[in-house]
Amino acid sequence: AQTVTQSQPEMSVQEAETVTLSCTYDTSESDYYLFWYKQPPSRQMILVIRQEAYKQQNATENRFSVNFQKAAKSFSLKISDSQLGDAAMYFCAYRSAVNDMRFGAGTRLTVKP
Amino acid sequence: DAGVTQSPTHLIKTRGQQVTLRCSPKSGHDTVSWYQQALGQGPQFIFQYYEEEERQRGNFPDRFSGHQFPNYSSELNVNALLLGDSALYLCASSLDPEPSYNEQFFGPGTRLTVL
Repeated sequence: AQTVTQSQPEMSVQEAETVTLSCTYDTSESDYYLFWYKQPPSRQMILVIRQEAYKQQNATENRFSVNFQKAAKSFSLKISDSQLGDAAMYFCAYRSAVNDMRFGAGTRLTVKP
Repeated sequence: DAGVTQSPTHLIKTRGQQVTLRCSPKSGHDTVSWYQQALGQGPQFIFQYYEEEERQRGNFPDRFSGHQFPNYSSELNVNALLLGDSALYLCASSLDPEPSYNEQFFGPGTRLTVL
């Protein structure tokens, strides 16, 4: 079964610094997609970044980038120049063509001014 | 352009009762997925509707059922409520169930409390 593990329940970063959130997953499939979602206190899940497994190049969206290690089944999120508005729960998620979206347990990110 | 909307925002029920949650997808979307998010956990997939039919289902009992209307809006019904059904219920919409990387847009959720 496909599982997603986020080993860091909580992380903290100083404003303007860089933080990396970890995610590992387990799958026997070769074609799948990985996502990072942000859930602020308003509860609405927002897509931060996505990565297609067949792409070797790591995805980047402005201050957000990923380190995708397919062989290691690792998918970490790096947030550069952290801002107060980045404070939220971050969820790593996995999806394939035949399977539904699987989420990790989440990492609560605190940004200190 | 309205995003995904859900109603009601909050709901309190007692054990054994039945509840209906509603979702209107983002304009132009035809696929609706429902998730249950227990406190302190990640969302868990309940089921997905496309063309008014259930296309995929997660590991949830038959007490959880749904419906999709011709205008693509959807309802989630839960019968014989249990205390463990207390959670945030999220609706997400997308354009077609495939390809899988099509972004799912989430609604703000309905907070269900079962007493």
